[in-house]
Amino acid sequence: AQSVTQLDSQVPVFEEAPVELRCNYSSSVSVYLFWYVQYPNQGLQLLLKYLSGSTLVKGINGFEAEFNKSQTSFHLRKPSVHISDTAEYFCAVRPGGSQGNLIFGKGTKLSVKP
Amino acid sequence: SQTIHQWPATLVQPVGSPLSLECTVEGTSNPNLYWYRQAAGRGLQLLFYSVGIGQISSEVPQNLSASRPQDRQFILSSKKLLLSDSGFYLCAWSNVKTRRAFFGQGTRLTVV
Repeated sequence: AQSVTQLDSQVPVFEEAPVELRCNYSSSVSVYLFWYVQYPNQGLQLLLKYLSGSTLVKGINGFEAEFNKSQTSFHLRKPSVHISDTAEYFCAVRPGGSQGNLIFGKGTKLSVKP
Repeated sequence: SQTIHQWPATLVQPVGSPLSLECTVEGTSNPNLYWYRQAAGRGLQLLFYSVGIGQISSEVPQNLSASRPQDRQFILSSKKLLLSDSGFYLCAWSNVKTRRAFFGQGTRLTVV
């Protein structure tokens, strides 16, 4: 069975510091990988996705993620965060070839402080 | 362009009362439609998905039901709410070809 683990439920950082939000998954089949962001009082937005090809994926707002098949990880990174990056971030997997069942992690709350 | 509308944004309902959350999609046809729930301190859980009018698949046994009376309308219902139904409900649609998902603004339901 597929599962997604986000190791940190909360990550507090200071503005302009780098950040890494960790995501590991388990699956017996190939997967597509996603990171979604939920800003306060808003719906989910897609940050980036990995379907195939280059393992380093660049998304919106300066975020990027690297797919590591051997470590079954898809960690999200940003070299310098802003106050506006304060939000909850969800990692998700979709088993390759399925019609669209997304499996989400529990989310990581990123709090950026001045 | 495609948009998704979900309402209401917040809802407080007493235990035992009925529920109806509505979601509509514009700008696309024959989308896959989904209802997710995020309970407090937990990840998103897929409740229902639909690949066409009248076609509903349930992922988990629960106190809720879903219906798709029109191609771009997806309704989440309950006859009698339980306290455990409290949570954040998200409607979503996906493009069958690109598999990209789009989410509504969500409904925060509190059952008291």
